[in-house]
Amino acid sequence: DIQMTQSPSSLSASVGDRVTITCRASQSISSYLNWYQQKPGKAPKLLIYAASSLQSGVPSRFSGSGSGTDFTLTISSLQPEDFATYYCQQSYSTVTFGPGTKVDIK
Amino acid sequence: QVTLKESGPVLVKPTETLTLTCTVSGFSLSNARMGVSWIRQPPGKALEWLAHIFSNDEKSYSTSLKSRLTISKDTSKSQVVLTMTNMDPVDTATYYCARISADWFDPWGQGTLVTVSS
Repeated sequence: DIQMTQSPSSLSASVGDRVTITCRASQSISSYLNWYQQKPGKAPKLLIYAASSLQSGVPSRFSGSGSGTDFTLTISSLQPEDFATYYCQQSYSTVTFGPGTKVDIK
Repeated sequence: QVTLKESGPVLVKPTETLTLTCTVSGFSLSNARMGVSWIRQPPGKALEWLAHIFSNDEKSYSTSLKSRLTISKDTSKSQVVLTMTNMDPVDTATYYCARISADWFDPWGQGTLVTVSS
């Protein structure tokens, strides 16, 4: 099975900060990488699909990049509603989620 | 509007079989390239994919749980059913169903918390 890692596991940031989360796959997954946001007590929400495509309705401050084994989710200017946990997920070979990155208030 | 809703028992005993139902609306389980997945999340932990089923009845299971899982669908009822045998306290989690659109999950159901305890 393909293993996914994320770094950092948590981070503290302030409103307006630029935030970058990294996801790495144990083998090449081309661009079969998706990002989700999850707030406490809620279901995950799709943010980015196919590594860099912004899901409809998601603010443009979210962006994704990468291919192969290394991927990045960037929030260009952190907003209060962005404090949440972010998961990457590969769909190249069955499905695996990353362990998550929790973004909280500094 | 596409929605999914999970239903099933809140509490199961160890060794029992769990049966969960996902009822979908806003799309058909017979739509080409569409499917439904089950994903779970133990309290305070990460997401874990369990299984999925596509419109052509293609099924796939988590390698680690394959022996305990069965997924099926009833297109006429717009339902996808997941059974998990031999439940254990470590299986306590919120269980989500989600639509598979191409290679990603969107949207998700609200989730249902299942506790395994005697």
